[in-house]
Amino acid sequence: EVQLVESGGDLVQPGGSLRLSCAASGFTFTNYWITWVRQAPGKGLEWVANIKQSGSEKYYEDSVTGRFTVSRDNAKNSVSLQMNSLRVEDTGIYYCARHVWGALDYWGQGTLVTVSS
Amino acid sequence: ELVLTQSPGTLSLSPGERATLSCRASQSVSSSNLAWYQQKPGQAPRLLIYGASSRATGIPDRFSGSGSGTDFTLTISRLEPEDFAVYYCQHFGTSRETFGQGTKLEIK
Repeated sequence: EVQLVESGGDLVQPGGSLRLSCAASGFTFTNYWITWVRQAPGKGLEWVANIKQSGSEKYYEDSVTGRFTVSRDNAKNSVSLQMNSLRVEDTGIYYCARHVWGALDYWGQGTLVTVSS
Repeated sequence: ELVLTQSPGTLSLSPGERATLSCRASQSVSSSNLAWYQQKPGQAPRLLIYGASSRATGIPDRFSGSGSGTDFTLTISRLEPEDFAVYYCQHFGTSRETFGQGTKLEIK
């Protein structure tokens, strides 16, 4: 069974840092891009970042470029999202998802990040 | 920068009716990278359609997708009570992914 499990969400002050993790199981991890998507409270879905199978290519949404870093450890079947200089507007549920056929076919349950003083 | 505009913002229909949701791209996009998702409250999104018109595994055949270029449509032929949710279109580009703002399908 394909599973993606996010962790690491927490309450953090503006300007602080947080590291999210996404643990994958049930599929050949090295065959897939992984994407991070977030959702602010009561709002729509917003793409955050993605990373290629080997980790050699990474892309970011403009508002997080320079603040967030996505990485993966193929030996541990995991992807991380290091988030620095957090802003109130980064608050939301963060999902990781597996990419295939130009779509995201499996999603985790999400982890909540709250940026507030 | 690609923008996906979904319409209507909210669609009020009754069970058994037909729903037609639109996703318009600000520039022509590849159909192979256009997907639709359903999201219910408190749940992660679920993939419905990929490649503009292919149903994902386990998706009932009352869901269908069509379109090309800049105009794409998700059609639900006969609404079931469990279909009332928010629907998003998404495009996977060369270096970024883009979501539409969503259409809320509510019970009339």
